[in-house]
Amino acid sequence: AQKVTQAQTEISVVEKEDVTLDCVYETRDTTYYLFWYKQPPSGELVFLIRRNSFDEQNEISGRYSWNFQKSTSSFNFTITASQVVDSAVYFCALTENAGKSTFGDGTTLTVKP
Amino acid sequence: DTAVSQTPKYLVTQMGNDKSIKCEQNLGHDTMYWYKQDSKKFLKIMFSYNNKELIINETVPNRFSPKSPDKAHLNLHINSLELGDSAVYFCASSQTGGSEEQYFGPGTRLTVT
Repeated sequence: AQKVTQAQTEISVVEKEDVTLDCVYETRDTTYYLFWYKQPPSGELVFLIRRNSFDEQNEISGRYSWNFQKSTSSFNFTITASQVVDSAVYFCALTENAGKSTFGDGTTLTVKP
Repeated sequence: DTAVSQTPKYLVTQMGNDKSIKCEQNLGHDTMYWYKQDSKKFLKIMFSYNNKELIINETVPNRFSPKSPDKAHLNLHINSLELGDSAVYFCASSQTGGSEEQYFGPGTRLTVT
């Protein structure tokens, strides 16, 4: 069975600090897909990034970067120079070939001014 | 243009009632989903439809019945509402199955009194 663990329930940082959100997953499939979603206080869920199991390249998008390591089954998310607008709940998710998505329990990030 | 829309946004009802939540997507996606997010923000998949066919049906009480009249719509009907059904229900869609990112509706906050 697939599983996603986000060990950090809550993180609080001060603006301009860098912060890393951890995501560890378990799956028996060799083909799978990993995602990060953001849920700001307004409540909507917003897609951030998708990675397939064959693509271990790290990705950077502005202040956001993602580190995918199959050897440790991790897909961590780093925000550089955090801003108050980054305050949100962040979800890591895994989909196996069968198509079912499993979400982690989420990490609540609070960025204080 | 709203990509994934849900109605109503808020739903307050008494125990024992039957209610429906409607979802529509105008993205041309083949797959639609229903998720339940509880008060702790845990997000769990309930159902998934691909081209009007049910493909994922998680362990959900049979009081919950999804209906997909066409691939742009996925409605959720709930019979005999219970206090524990209080949650935010999200509809989502994706281009194909779980390998693609999902686009979420704004959520429907259901309160059962």
